[in-house]
Parts: sequence; C-alpha cells; structure tokens
Amino acid sequence: GAVVSQHPSRVICKSGTSVKIECRSLDFQATTMFWYRQFPKQSLMLMATSNEGSKATYEQGVEKDKFLINHASLTLSTLTVTSAHPEDSSFYICSASLGENSPLHFGNGTRLTVT
Amino acid sequence: QKEVEQDPGPLSVPEGAIVSLNCTYSNSAFQYFMWYRQYSRKGPELLMYTYSSGNKEDGRFTAQVDKSSKYISLFIRDSQPSDSATYLCAMGGRSGAGSYQLTFGKGTKLSVIP
Repeated sequence: GAVVSQHPSRVICKSGTSVKIECRSLDFQATTMFWYRQFPKQSLMLMATSNEGSKATYEQGVEKDKFLINHASLTLSTLTVTSAHPEDSSFYICSASLGENSPLHFGNGTRLTVT
Repeated sequence: QKEVEQDPGPLSVPEGAIVSLNCTYSNSAFQYFMWYRQYSRKGPELLMYTYSSGNKEDGRFTAQVDKSSKYISLFIRDSQPSDSATYLCAMGGRSGAGSYQLTFGKGTKLSVIP
C-alpha cells in the first residue's frame, strides 16, 4: 500500500518553456503532498507543501510564481516549473503520507534538464 | 548545530558484513524516526519507521532509537551488493510553534563490494 506515482521520470526542455510534473497517490487519498528538490550528492530540500483545495505553502526562498503547485484532488498534485532556466535543472520528488504521524512515501522522482 | 547530523560517507564494506549507519539530532520534539534507502536516480524508499526508543527488526534490517542520547542507528546484517545505495535518516514531530516538521539527514552512501 501507500504507492506514490510520479510522471514523467525524465524531461528535457528548452530554456523559457514550462514543464508540468504530476504526482498521484495510487491507493490512498492524500490531503497533503510534499514537493522536494534534490541536487547531486545533497539531501532532500523541501520546496512546498501542497494542500488539497487550498493554496500551497512554500518554503523560504522558493519562488511561488516560478513553481506553481496545484492540488485539485485528493490523489493528484502537480508542480509546474514556469519559464524554466538551466539553473532549474534538478531532481524533483513528490511525497505523501497517510496522516500526520505516518511516514512519507515518495514518488520515483523527475529528472529535469533545461537546455 | 544542525538539527540532524549524518555522516555522508562514502562507506564501503565487503559482502556479508554488518553495516551500521547513524544519525544524531538535537531537537527533542522529534517523536518518530524513519530510514529511507535511495538508489541512484530514484525516489527514497521507506525501510523502517519507529516512534519509540529501542530496537525494531525487519528481516536483515534493525532500527535502533535512543531518545535519551538523541541517536538513531540502522543495522544491516549480511549485507548484499543490492544494498548499495544512499541511506537517509528522517525525523518528525511538532516544532515549538506547533507546526508539523519533518527533517532529513544528508544521507550516507553505502557500497557493498562482492
């Protein structure tokens, strides 16, 4: 149980374009999902908390207009990287849990390369 | 002092060895503890989850928590080459402001040599 699916696994795009990443909880409903970014040989950095039916909560230093999050249903959250630049190239991972005191379950990540 | 400290390694052991991975933490508000395994270019996979001091065993894996010393460990018995990955500790609980908080260690890269 507690499977989180993330799509696409890999995307290459040109500078200036936008990229949408989907995160789905396959066998449970998630009122909250989390978006992380991971640089090579670094730990996970929380970008934002996605709340179903309301606005996302962004961590300090994360531009909300650049990283648009939509959590339209209890099983789907999307992250859109707008006007992507090469410095946005990174590994983006979503996660969700069954509840506040439950562990996070992660998707398999999306490797974004902006050329 | 960082909230969670984890030796990044790399740690290299021969196949069959017992592996010990450790994290220390400073925030006494952390109430539950997790270990994740992350293969290259993949998302982290939950290995162990515990919320009390003591040991929890699952197959070749044992998670140990010592809340009094603010120290957690993951032991891997009879290590296999397939255990080669980065291992992340994570800790969760309520912050002083009452908000829910989850903090990850930087991860330890493990290589098990055949």
